[in-house]
Amino acid sequence: AQKITQTQPGMFVQEKEAVTLDCTYDTSDPSYGLFWYKQPSSGEMIFLIYQGSYDQQNATEGRYSLNFQKARKSANLVISASQLGDSAMYFCAMSGVYNFNKFYFGSGTKLNVKP
Amino acid sequence: GAGVSQSPRYKVAKRGQDVALRCDPISGHVSLFWYQQALGQGPEFLTYFQNEAQLDKSGLPSDRFFAERPEGSVSTLKIQRTQQEDSAVYLCASSFDRTGSGATYNEQFFGPGTRLTVL
Repeated sequence: AQKITQTQPGMFVQEKEAVTLDCTYDTSDPSYGLFWYKQPSSGEMIFLIYQGSYDQQNATEGRYSLNFQKARKSANLVISASQLGDSAMYFCAMSGVYNFNKFYFGSGTKLNVKP
Repeated sequence: GAGVSQSPRYKVAKRGQDVALRCDPISGHVSLFWYQQALGQGPEFLTYFQNEAQLDKSGLPSDRFFAERPEGSVSTLKIQRTQQEDSAVYLCASSFDRTGSGATYNEQFFGPGTRLTVL
């Protein structure tokens, strides 16, 4: 069975600084995908970044990067140059790598960016 | 808009009432997922459709929960005889068919959710 663990219920970061949100996972599947989603107070889940288990390089998307350490089964999200609009819930999720797969989500981290 | 839409956005039901939650996926999206998100938790999978076929309903918590997608587009999640533990946000997500594209992942596009409160 797949399991995602996010151990930081809440995080504070100063505007313009970088922040790392932790995510560890457990799976017996040889191939899998890891996702990060942002959920603002409006409730909609916004896709941020993806990392495949066989990807050789860490994924990056603008100010978001994923620190993927396969041996440690961790997939931490790094947000550089934090902005006030980054304040939201952040969820780590895992799925299989096939075309259609349900997601397994962690419990989330509430990020607050201070001016 | 072009995103996933859900209605109603908010629903208050008395215990024992039946409710129906609607999801309009992005046009052309083959897959449709329903998730339940309890307060302060991450979403949990309920059920999955590929076109009109319900391929996975392993996450439905009881036989009071029923989902359908009769024409392969709009989907309805129905909860019969609602109970207080059913109070949650119900999220719908859709994704398109990447078969043959060489893509190794398939992101899901989420709607804004329906917040159900059972009194």
